Amino acid sequence: QKEVEQNSGPLSVPEGAIASLNCTYSDRGSQSFFWYRQYSGKSPELIMSIYSNGDKEDGRFTAQLNKASQYVSLLIRDSQPSDSATYLCAVNRYSSASKIIFGSGTRLSIRP
Amino acid sequence: NAGVTQTPKFQVLKTGQSMTLQCAQDMNHNSMYWYRQDPGMGLRLIYYSASEGTTDKGEVPNGYNVSRLNKREFSLRLESAAPSQTSVYFCASIKGDIESTDTQYFGPGTRLTVL
Repeated sequence: QKEVEQNSGPLSVPEGAIASLNCTYSDRGSQSFFWYRQYSGKSPELIMSIYSNGDKEDGRFTAQLNKASQYVSLLIRDSQPSDSATYLCAVNRYSSASKIIFGSGTRLSIRP
Repeated sequence: NAGVTQTPKFQVLKTGQSMTLQCAQDMNHNSMYWYRQDPGMGLRLIYYSASEGTTDKGEVPNGYNVSRLNKREFSLRLESAAPSQTSVYFCASIKGDIESTDTQYFGPGTRLTVL
């Protein structure tokens, strides 16, 4: 079992709709959770971080965390063509040091 | 601030050759990381360094060595390159403070091809 799992996609969503991206993790000791966006040929860039159960909203993005279910998700409202990218879920298994593990990413395509 | 820098940006090696990938950060971060990214595989952790003077294996350490030269610099060495090591390599850093809500910053990547 991979430590961090994501559906590889591609996920195709019409412009203006809500895109929903999901991630599960295996280590119950994980403490910090991140969503990165990566455009083709570029470095990952952080778009959301979440540390406690519940929802966290930032503009069109909402991250949701459920530690009991070991599940973290990202919602993108009013999807735009510029949101087309690969979205990477990352988990920090912080104990004595930050060991950050990534999922394989979900490719999101916003169709006009 | 340059953030995280990596050299070289591109490299082509022949099987069996060695090389060192360089990474430096100017954000006074404690922890640094090396990842590789293959198509459809996301980022896989090779090695990380929680603080100056310490290094630990990640998910895929075989065939690599690292050196945390000082607080700023963290290098990745391929002693005998293999075609399976063809990948994009990313260096990243994080403040590494247990009290902080850390953000990981990435370098631009090194595209390595082993023939």
